[in-house]
Amino acid sequence: QQQVKQSPQSLIVQKGGISIINCAYENTAFDYFPWYQQFPGKGPALLIAIRPDVSEKKEGRFTISFNKSAKQFSLHIMDSQPGDSATYFCAATYSGGYQKVTFGTGTKLQVIP
Amino acid sequence: EAQVTQNPRYLITVTGKKLTVTCSQNMNHEYMSWYRQDPGLGLRQIYYSMNVEVTDKGDVPEGYKVSRKEKRNFPLILESPSPNQTSLYFCASSSRDGNSGNTIYFGEGSWLTVV
Repeated sequence: QQQVKQSPQSLIVQKGGISIINCAYENTAFDYFPWYQQFPGKGPALLIAIRPDVSEKKEGRFTISFNKSAKQFSLHIMDSQPGDSATYFCAATYSGGYQKVTFGTGTKLQVIP
Repeated sequence: EAQVTQNPRYLITVTGKKLTVTCSQNMNHEYMSWYRQDPGLGLRQIYYSMNVEVTDKGDVPEGYKVSRKEKRNFPLILESPSPNQTSLYFCASSSRDGNSGNTIYFGEGSWLTVV
C-alpha cells in the first residue's frame, strides 16, 4: 500500500531553471515530511524537512511548499545546478518516538548545462 | 565522524548460498533498519530494530533475517538467497531528535546480485 505518491519519476532541467518535484500523502496523521537527496553510489541524506504547521520552508535554493488541505507537498530547487543532479525522495512520518518512515518512489533529476 | 558502515559494498553470490551483510553505526542510535532500493519502487523497509534484542518486520521481510545483539550492530542475513533479492541494500540508523523528528542516517549501500 503506497501511502506517499511522488512524481515525476524523472526530470531534466536546464542549468539555472527551477526543478519541481511533487508528493501526495494519504494518512492525515503524518506530521513530519522530510526530503532526502541521493547521489550516485551514495546513501540518501536528509536535505530539508517540514512540519504541517507551516506552508513553506526555505533553505538556500531549496524550498518545500506544503498544502495541508490537499495533502500535498513539493520540493522546489531554484537556480538548479549540475551538482543538484541526484535522486530525490520525499517521505512522511510521525514525529513521536520511533516511527516508520514511508518513502516516495523517488525522482531522478538531471540538470544539464 | 558520524557513520553507518555496511559491508560488503558489492557482492555476487549464487542462489541458496547463505550470506550476511554487516552494519555498524557509531552514533549510539537506538533505532536501526534495513531498506532495499529497486527501480520504480523507491526505498522499502525490510526490518527494523528499536533497541537491542527488539526487532520487527518492515514492508518486505520475506527471505531475510536480522539480529540486534549489540546496540551498534544490525546484520542482515539472507539464509537462502534467490534472484529476486538482487537489489541495492541500505542500512540506516536514527535517534529521536526533538527539533527535527526522526532524521535517518544511511550507509553507502550494498549492491547484491544473486545468480
